[in-house]
Amino acid sequence: AQTVTQSQPEMSVQEAETVTLSCTYDTSESDYYLFWYKQPPSRQMILVIRQEAYKQQNATENRFSVNFQKAAKSFSLKISDSQLGDAAMYFCAYRSADANDMRFGAGTRLTVKP
Amino acid sequence: GAGVSQSPSNKVTEKGKDVELRCDPISGHTALYWYRQSLGQGLEFLIYFQGNSAPDKSGLPSDRFSAERTGGSVSTLTIQRTQQEDSAVYLCASSLGLFSGNTIYFGEGSWLTVV
Repeated sequence: AQTVTQSQPEMSVQEAETVTLSCTYDTSESDYYLFWYKQPPSRQMILVIRQEAYKQQNATENRFSVNFQKAAKSFSLKISDSQLGDAAMYFCAYRSADANDMRFGAGTRLTVKP
Repeated sequence: GAGVSQSPSNKVTEKGKDVELRCDPISGHTALYWYRQSLGQGLEFLIYFQGNSAPDKSGLPSDRFSAERTGGSVSTLTIQRTQQEDSAVYLCASSLGLFSGNTIYFGEGSWLTVV
């Protein structure tokens, strides 16, 4: 079974600085998708960014970018110019191309200091 | 609707009572998912629907849990004879279909507390 590991239970960043959240996963599949979701106190999971495993180019969405290392099975999230509104739980998720569900990591709680 | 809607938002129930949690997915989304999130934990997959069909119920924690979906839209997750360990946030999500590349959209969850 695929597992997703987020080794940082908590992270802190100064407003306007850059922070990187780590994620590793274990799979024998070659075709899959990776996601980062943000969960603010409202509880609603919001998609931040996604990466297709067959694409070598790292995905970017405005201030959010990923460092996808397929061989190392690593998928880190970089948040640039951190804002107070970025404070939330961040979950890394994996979905096999032929799976019907996503597997989530335990999450990283990000605090942004003014 | 515009987003995934779940009700109730919060539910406190006595141990041994039955509860029903409702999910109204985004209009046109054929795939629907239920997850459970215990306090401070990640998400545990429970069950998915494609249309009204749930081919795999093995993710449900026990036979006290059941789920159904009618009309390819609204889904209900039922927990019978609730136990304290059932206390968690139950998240519903939907997507256009089961294709893994489809974005999965989540609701705000139903926070269940069993006392």
